[in-house]
Amino acid sequence: QKEVEQDPGPLSVPEGAIVSLNCTYSNSAFQYFMWYRQYSRKGPELLMYTYSSGNKEDGRFTAQVDKSSKYISLFIRDSQPSDSATYLCATNVNAGNMLTFGGGTRLMVKP
Amino acid sequence: EPEVTQTPSHQVTQMGQEVILRCVPISNHLYFYWYRQILGQKVEFLVSFYNNEISEKSEIFDDQFSVERPDGSNFTLKIRSTKLEDSAMYFCASSPPQGGGNSPLHFGNGTRLTVT
Repeated sequence: QKEVEQDPGPLSVPEGAIVSLNCTYSNSAFQYFMWYRQYSRKGPELLMYTYSSGNKEDGRFTAQVDKSSKYISLFIRDSQPSDSATYLCATNVNAGNMLTFGGGTRLMVKP
Repeated sequence: EPEVTQTPSHQVTQMGQEVILRCVPISNHLYFYWYRQILGQKVEFLVSFYNNEISEKSEIFDDQFSVERPDGSNFTLKIRSTKLEDSAMYFCASSPPQGGGNSPLHFGNGTRLTVT
């Protein structure tokens, strides 16, 4: 069983739409959850970082964690063409910082 | 905003040759990492480094790989004898001292290694 799974997409939405990106994970030891945005041929850029279950909001972005279901989500409101990128979820256990990444979801926001 | 910088952006080498990938982490960060991403695949952890020693490494990080912090600013990944399957994007990352090592990682833009 893969540890962190994401639908690879591509997910295509019109500008202004609300986007929902999701990850599931299998290891209940995972404690910290992150969302990274990766543009083509660039490094992952940290968007959101959370520890507890529940919601965390930052501007147009909301991260949601449900540890009981092992399910994490990223919502993007008022999506823009500049949001077009691959979105990676990542998680790690309490010991050390060995991040386990999902495979990424490619998002395309069309003007 | 401070950032992690990596050089070169693209490295082409022949199989069997040694390569050194270089990184300058964010200045007040104390934890350093190397990850790699083979084209079309997931980002994979290689190694973490703290207090001048390896703190964790993956199965990928075998005897062909080594890391070093030769001075106060650089962090390097050496591949001793490259193989075709080492072709990938190599990302350096660093994280700040607060949080006991569980602070979020900041990545560089990577070095694309092509082994021919």
